[in-house]
Amino acid sequence: QVQLVQSGAEVKKPGASVKVSCKASGYRFTDYYMHWVRQAPGQGLEWMGWINPNSGGTNSAQKFQGRVTMTRDTSISTAYMELSRLRSDDTALYYCARGYPFMDVWGQGTTVTVSS
Amino acid sequence: SYVLTQPPSVSVAPGQTARITCGGNNIGSKSVHWYQQRPGQAPVLVVYDDSDRPSGIPERFSGSNSGNTATLTISRVEAGDEADYYCQVWDSSSDHPVFGGGTKLTVL
Repeated sequence: QVQLVQSGAEVKKPGASVKVSCKASGYRFTDYYMHWVRQAPGQGLEWMGWINPNSGGTNSAQKFQGRVTMTRDTSISTAYMELSRLRSDDTALYYCARGYPFMDVWGQGTTVTVSS
Repeated sequence: SYVLTQPPSVSVAPGQTARITCGGNNIGSKSVHWYQQRPGQAPVLVVYDDSDRPSGIPERFSGSNSGNTATLTISRVEAGDEADYYCQVWDSSSDHPVFGGGTKLTVL
């Protein structure tokens, strides 16, 4: 079956970086955009960016430009999202989700906690 | 950037019909997608392209879109429908998705 499996929870200090992975299975990885969406505690969904796994092209929300890097490894059907210069307000649940123009499959989420 | 506006909360009694709106400038010219997020779970797509349902989503979930408002309608509401619901469109000018702020559906 189609699924996205994300890496485990992370605890980071302010100023550090975090890299979250998202392994796809059950479909051709290069056929679908991969998005990164985050959700702060008690808040709504916030789109961060997408990567086209076929071309490697990316697009990110303006507020994350310069801090977010999205990559992929097609040999292992895995997408990555790295967020740098972490702040306390980056504490959130981070999801990967496939699709264009809607997101039909979501990962289970990765909790990132930023705390000194 | 394109903005989507949802009411923060909607309440409905079991068996009744819930209507959750999503407002946006000329949203009727865009395709609207809806997600359900139950507490502690990842979002699930329940309606795409205004009114289509993915396989496995009950017929009780339907959608419409016209003018400046899109609507998700849930008929014969059940306790298990209690969740947050988000609308989403693709903003072609910036080439990325936009989410509404979400609506908490409470089943009384």
